[in-house]
Amino acid sequence: DTGVSQNPRHKITKRGQNVTFRCDPISEHNRLYWYRQTLGQGPEFLTYFQNEAQLEKSRLLSDRFSAERPKGSFSTLEIQRTEQGDSAMYLCASSQRANTGELFFGEGSRLTVL
Amino acid sequence: EDQVTQSPEALRLQEGESSSLNCSYTVSGLRGLFWYRQDPGKGPEFLFTLYSAGEEKEKERLKATLTKKESFLHITAPKPEDSATYLCAVQAAGNKLTFGGGTRVLVKP
Repeated sequence: DTGVSQNPRHKITKRGQNVTFRCDPISEHNRLYWYRQTLGQGPEFLTYFQNEAQLEKSRLLSDRFSAERPKGSFSTLEIQRTEQGDSAMYLCASSQRANTGELFFGEGSRLTVL
Repeated sequence: EDQVTQSPEALRLQEGESSSLNCSYTVSGLRGLFWYRQDPGKGPEFLFTLYSAGEEKEKERLKATLTKKESFLHITAPKPEDSATYLCAVQAAGNKLTFGGGTRVLVKP
């Protein structure tokens, strides 16, 4: 399968712990996005990479969140000192073209913070 | 700030009963409006891009239209496999999409 791959699919953690999610985009896509989606809501933009450069970051993204994309391939999203409000589905998407809204999403990583 | 409002929140249809979903938006400098389909537990799947008022796109039983203030997704003679959440999103400056809350569609046989 050559789609966007996300791991782990599910993560349950205790408040205060750190968690990391990984995203492997479609191989020829050099643009990568992270979104967060809570139950009954649409996805909310977190951050955008073009190759290894993080070019956009939501103002809503607290300092506890950090994303990287070393070498412009896979990406990681780390949440430090998790809070119950961080419970959500974290979606990764990739695209090949610039300035496009045609994104290819992965199946997401669901985080539950107890 | 860009805003997208979708209505209704939920829609129950009988198989074959056509209907329309609404997406109202407020954005400075619309560069594109996008429709996605999302099945439970899955990521959104791209359906259509609309760039300018008057534009229409079709795919099987789905047809998307765009005006200066809103977009409609028409579902003609829906089948149970059309049951999903339909998401609308807009793009203005930058690379982010602003999504609406979605319309959950259930088509009963």
